[in-house]
Amino acid sequence: NAGVTQTPKFRILKIGQSMTLQCTQDMNHNYMYWYRQDPGMGLKLIYYSVGAGITDKGEVPNGYNVSRSTTEDFPLRLELAAPSQTSVYFCASSYSLLRAGEVDEQYFGPGTRLTVT
Amino acid sequence: AQKVTQAQTEISVVEKEDVTLDCVYETRDTTYYLFWYKQPPSGELVFLIRRNSFDEQNEISGRYSWNFQKSTSSFNFTITASQVVDSAVYFCALSYQGGKLIFGQGTELSVKP
Repeated sequence: NAGVTQTPKFRILKIGQSMTLQCTQDMNHNYMYWYRQDPGMGLKLIYYSVGAGITDKGEVPNGYNVSRSTTEDFPLRLELAAPSQTSVYFCASSYSLLRAGEVDEQYFGPGTRLTVT
Repeated sequence: AQKVTQAQTEISVVEKEDVTLDCVYETRDTTYYLFWYKQPPSGELVFLIRRNSFDEQNEISGRYSWNFQKSTSSFNFTITASQVVDSAVYFCALSYQGGKLIFGQGTELSVKP
């Protein structure tokens, strides 16, 4: 079980470039999430998905897009990169809610450190 | 709106000291979950504990213990006899709207030998 994997680990982008951060999980989790972590701060939710074909915005979605065509993959797309998107990006997944209101722990990938200059 | 406050930005202790990390939360939900995660210097996030809002029993796991007090909206984390390997950033998180989490800003714990 590899858990949650993310690629790349590091990336430097120029302002205005685009890129896709990849995230894959092999635990058959229905729920997947993208967070960003700015220096000295906690994690903020960008987008999340409750299953293939279903995505929704989190706290800070502007400048990002996601898709979820399979249970395993949840790529995050950055269009027209800006310096404000310099951050560490974490992908996470969790088991589907077993009962209404049940919230399971999220399993995190190792992160992608992105710099936009 | 939900909010998680970790007022201690940095804590420094000497090995074998006990240390408590504070977490105060705000929510109007009647059912919610609280979490603690550890982020060591290597950067990954490690799950430590999950607590349901209906379960106010304190929990102990080895040198770690958690005190959940609904009356004061707090979910504090104590490390007994701290070790250098405990040095990390610790995050408290609160669930909302189903499986989403809101995180506190984190407390950086430094344990010196």
